[in-house]
Amino acid sequence: AQKVTQAQTEISVVEKEDVTLDCVYETRDTTYYLFWYKQPPSGELVFLIRRNSFDEQNEISGRYSWNFQKSTSSFNFTITASQVVDSAVYFCALTRGDTGTASKLTFGTGTRLQVTL
Amino acid sequence: GAGVSQTPSNKVTEKGKYVELRCDPISGHTALYWYRQSLGQGPEFLIYFQGTGAADDSGLPNDRFFAVRPEGSVSTLKIQRTERGDSAVYLCASSLGTSGTYNEQFFGPGTRLTVL
Repeated sequence: AQKVTQAQTEISVVEKEDVTLDCVYETRDTTYYLFWYKQPPSGELVFLIRRNSFDEQNEISGRYSWNFQKSTSSFNFTITASQVVDSAVYFCALTRGDTGTASKLTFGTGTRLQVTL
Repeated sequence: GAGVSQTPSNKVTEKGKYVELRCDPISGHTALYWYRQSLGQGPEFLIYFQGTGAADDSGLPNDRFFAVRPEGSVSTLKIQRTERGDSAVYLCASSLGTSGTYNEQFFGPGTRLTVL
């Protein structure tokens, strides 16, 4: 069975602070994908990143960066110089990588990020 | 182009009633998923369609829940004899369903179901 743990329920930071959201996963699959989604107050899930289990390179996209470490089964997400618009619930998710066409996503419980002025 | 749409956006019903929730996937997407998101939780998988057939319905909680996709496009999630515990946001997602490569899931805005 697959499991995603996001131990941080809620984080509050002041604008321009850096913040890291933690994600720990469990899977017996050798091939899998990891994701981060953002859910703003409007409710729609917004895709941020997908990472293949074979690719442990860290990735940076603007103020966002992701640190994937298979040795600790973690896929952490850092926002640099946070902004009020970053306020949302962030979900880490996992899916099998060997199902060909499609596979269901297993989500964590989410981390609510509140960025204040 | 148009994204995944879901109707209604909000549905309030009474315990014991029957409800239908509709999902219009992105045109050309053969794979369609239903998830349920309870308050303060992450989305939980319910059922997945590839074309017209349900390829994986392992997430449906019980036989009160049923979903169809008769023409391989629009899908309807049907809940019989609703219970207060069914209150949640029901999310639909679609993807290309192309074999041999990962296909991104695109989510709709969800239907918020409240059972009184």
